[in-house]
Amino acid sequence: DAGVIQSPRHEVTEMGQEVTLRCKPISGHNSLFWYRQTMMRGLELLIYFNNNVPIDDSGMPEDRFSAKMPNASFSTLKIQPSEPRDSAVYFCASSLGEALDTQYFGPGTRLTVL
Amino acid sequence: GNSVTQMEGPVTLSEEAFLTINCTYTATGYPSLFWYVQYPGEGLQLLLKATKADDKGSNKGFEATYRKETTSFHLEKGSVQVSDSAVYFCALSSGGYQKVTFGIGTKLQVIP
Repeated sequence: DAGVIQSPRHEVTEMGQEVTLRCKPISGHNSLFWYRQTMMRGLELLIYFNNNVPIDDSGMPEDRFSAKMPNASFSTLKIQPSEPRDSAVYFCASSLGEALDTQYFGPGTRLTVL
Repeated sequence: GNSVTQMEGPVTLSEEAFLTINCTYTATGYPSLFWYVQYPGEGLQLLLKATKADDKGSNKGFEATYRKETTSFHLEKGSVQVSDSAVYFCALSSGGYQKVTFGIGTKLQVIP
């Protein structure tokens, strides 16, 4: 079985540009999570979806960040406009959606904003 | 709110040494506890978990026991290998929708 797929794996962009990160969860999983990892702040939950509906977006840093899940097999995280402080590794994870199930993480997207 | 406190790393050990990584938590109710591992260049993956007090999670020679009285979930391994070099995250989940709170992560380096 394919795991969680993220694209691109690496992204380098200039400040002010729009960035879109993509995620394909494991087939059959009902919950999807977006995390950001930095040395300073560790692993932060940005937003999570259950059955394609955003449940908690309290971790989204500001209005520049938005996330969508138009169907069960695809999600995007968009940053517009991007800033150097957004540089981080962004992980997508999915799970079956039952209480206390394991989260399966993708390989991450390393974003560098110059 | 929920929180997880891990010992700060990095931890450097020689091969075959005994490993302990401390983890304590604060949570409402009765959370489930997890250890995730992140190998270089990869995403996190579940190492082990425990869902109630006194449960012991184990996998790949690693163990952790859910201690409600001390609110702890320390990770141990009797003999580490170079291949165990990674970052280890303690985490908890309580309530619905599996919102997981992660610790800061502890980097382990095992030298031959």
